[in-house]
Amino acid sequence: DAGVTQSPTHLIKTRGQQVTLRCSPKSGHDTVSWYQQALGQGPQFIFQYYEEEERQRGNFPDRFSGHQFPNYSSELNVNALLLGDSALYLCASSLVSDTQYFGPGTRLTVL
Amino acid sequence: TQLLEQSPQFLSIQEGENLTVYCNSSSVFSSLQWYRQEPGEGPVLLVTVVTGGEVKKLKRLTFQFGDARKDSSLHITAAQPGDTGLYLCAGKRTGGSYIPTFGRGTSLIVHP
Repeated sequence: DAGVTQSPTHLIKTRGQQVTLRCSPKSGHDTVSWYQQALGQGPQFIFQYYEEEERQRGNFPDRFSGHQFPNYSSELNVNALLLGDSALYLCASSLVSDTQYFGPGTRLTVL
Repeated sequence: TQLLEQSPQFLSIQEGENLTVYCNSSSVFSSLQWYRQEPGEGPVLLVTVVTGGEVKKLKRLTFQFGDARKDSSLHITAAQPGDTGLYLCAGKRTGGSYIPTFGRGTSLIVHP
């Protein structure tokens, strides 16, 4: 039984560019949440998707957007990248409000 | 200001020592979770506590939820190098969102 998978593992972008990160949830899970973890910090909630709709959003600007597909996989898009967007981006899947299981993350570096 | 304050921020100890890390808040939580995160990996759930005063044990790890459900502690007995990692607490507030709020974590290094 595959756990949560994320791609790519690492990514290097320059300021102003756009990036798309991908997440496949654990088998049987229908809810996907995205978090940003800056160096030395705990994960910060970006948003959560359920039934292909954004269900809840944290305190992140509109440059951060997402999508959930009918197979429950999800994408996180970040436009107009800033240096401060450099972080580990974590995806977590769950059944609605049940326990979340995290993927290994995508390390994004913005130069 | 962090909703959940974790202390200490860093801990470097020798194998065999005992340690306690703390997670404190002024808010009441309906539940609190502890995770361990290793470099390059996502957090892995260790335990969830939901009842004030609750104590849970996971081998050499003992977790306690405060009576008022505002704080928690994690005690490790006879630490081993495999315990090395970032320990995160995350709480779900009473009557609030079901999305957990994370503390900054305690980075633990256990030297052989």
